[in-house]
Amino acid sequence: DVKVTQSSRYLVKRTGEKVFLECVQDMDHENMFWYRQDPGLGLRLIYFSYDVKMKEKGDIPEGYSVSREKKERFSLILESASTNQTSMYLCASSLYDRFGEQVNTEAFFGQGTRLTVV
Amino acid sequence: TQLLEQSPQFLSIQEGENLTVYCNSSSVFSSLQWYRQEPGEGPVLLVTVVTGGEVKKLKRLTFQFGDARKDSSLHITAAQPGDTGLYLCAGVSNSGYALNFGKGTSLLVTP
Repeated sequence: DVKVTQSSRYLVKRTGEKVFLECVQDMDHENMFWYRQDPGLGLRLIYFSYDVKMKEKGDIPEGYSVSREKKERFSLILESASTNQTSMYLCASSLYDRFGEQVNTEAFFGQGTRLTVV
Repeated sequence: TQLLEQSPQFLSIQEGENLTVYCNSSSVFSSLQWYRQEPGEGPVLLVTVVTGGEVKKLKRLTFQFGDARKDSSLHITAAQPGDTGLYLCAGVSNSGYALNFGKGTSLLVTP
């Protein structure tokens, strides 16, 4: 089975701390993603990576950075945590697979990290 | 960002009832996906629809992709408490890599 593992289920951090969220996948997927999920706002894409050392901004990258030094690992970094970054963070991976105009991008998600910034 | 609008946002029904959830956009998608998320877990893929007009069935769940590939629906027949969860539709973004998600429909099925 595909497995996406996030290092923590729950985290409590203080305002101003630098926070690292780690994600590892074991299926040799090219693509990895970080989303945050908030009530009433759904899943919003923060950053994604389609290859090692490659990264692209998503819809809400402000206040975040990412690192992908190895294919299986994608880290989300909160440079200086703020209370408005309290959220559920979801990591996902997918195999980029294009046949003509159709793209198979099934995303496999980790269990999420519920981050509280106090 | 290609927006996906889901309706209704919340749905509370009794066991045995039927329901339909909608996912609409003004953009054309090469495919749309439906995920289900249970509390404390990440979303899990239910189905991908790729052809306009396509209908796919997964036991009591029926998924349809609109002819113009701008919308999709999920119909559940004889809902059961085990169907409770958050249902999300998603489509590939313009980047070709990432998925854009709707805000979801939260379904509660009571015995």
